[in-house]
Amino acid sequence: EAGVAQSPRYKIIEKRQSVAFWCNPISGHATLYWYQQILGQGPKLLIQFQNNGVVDDSQLPKDRFSAERLKGVDSTLKIQPAKLEDSAVYLCASSLVRDRGTPLHFGNGTRLTVT
Amino acid sequence: GNSVTQMEGPVTLSEEAFLTINCTYTATGYPSLFWYVQYPGEGLQLLLKATKADDKGSNKGFEATYRKETTSFHLEKGSVQVSDSAVYFCALGSGSARQLTFGSGTQLTVLP
Repeated sequence: EAGVAQSPRYKIIEKRQSVAFWCNPISGHATLYWYQQILGQGPKLLIQFQNNGVVDDSQLPKDRFSAERLKGVDSTLKIQPAKLEDSAVYLCASSLVRDRGTPLHFGNGTRLTVT
Repeated sequence: GNSVTQMEGPVTLSEEAFLTINCTYTATGYPSLFWYVQYPGEGLQLLLKATKADDKGSNKGFEATYRKETTSFHLEKGSVQVSDSAVYFCALGSGSARQLTFGSGTQLTVLP
């Protein structure tokens, strides 16, 4: 099966600019996650969708970050305006929520550098 | 809240050496436990998992046992290879939302 697709692979922007990331999950996966991975740290959940509804966005800095999942398939994550501390890899993951052992499938991520 | 503590790296071993990467967790309820691996330039991949106490997950020669009494899920491999060089993440899955909480990762380098 095709994996989780993310684009772009790399992005360099200046602070106060805006940026958007795109994710296409594995076909049929109802649950989609966005994680932020700062260098040297483990991934941290930003937002979780079930179909096109938000399940948890408690860790999303809503003053600058937004995300949507129209039609319950693709998703976009936006940062506006970006800060230096937003430099990180942004990971998208999807899963079939079957049972407690169901794994998440991750994309290769988008590496964002804010200068 | 939930948290995962991993052995700090980096870890450097010679080929065929024994590997242990320690992982302990704090969680409410009965979480599932996972090890994910990230090879250079690639995304996170599931390595193994365990969903209840005393379960042993295994894959590619790696093993980890879910120990509820010590709240641990240590990763082991009897003989590492150069191709095992990667970053290893311990993760905890909990709640009906099936979210993952990750440790900080352990960089493993295996020298020939």
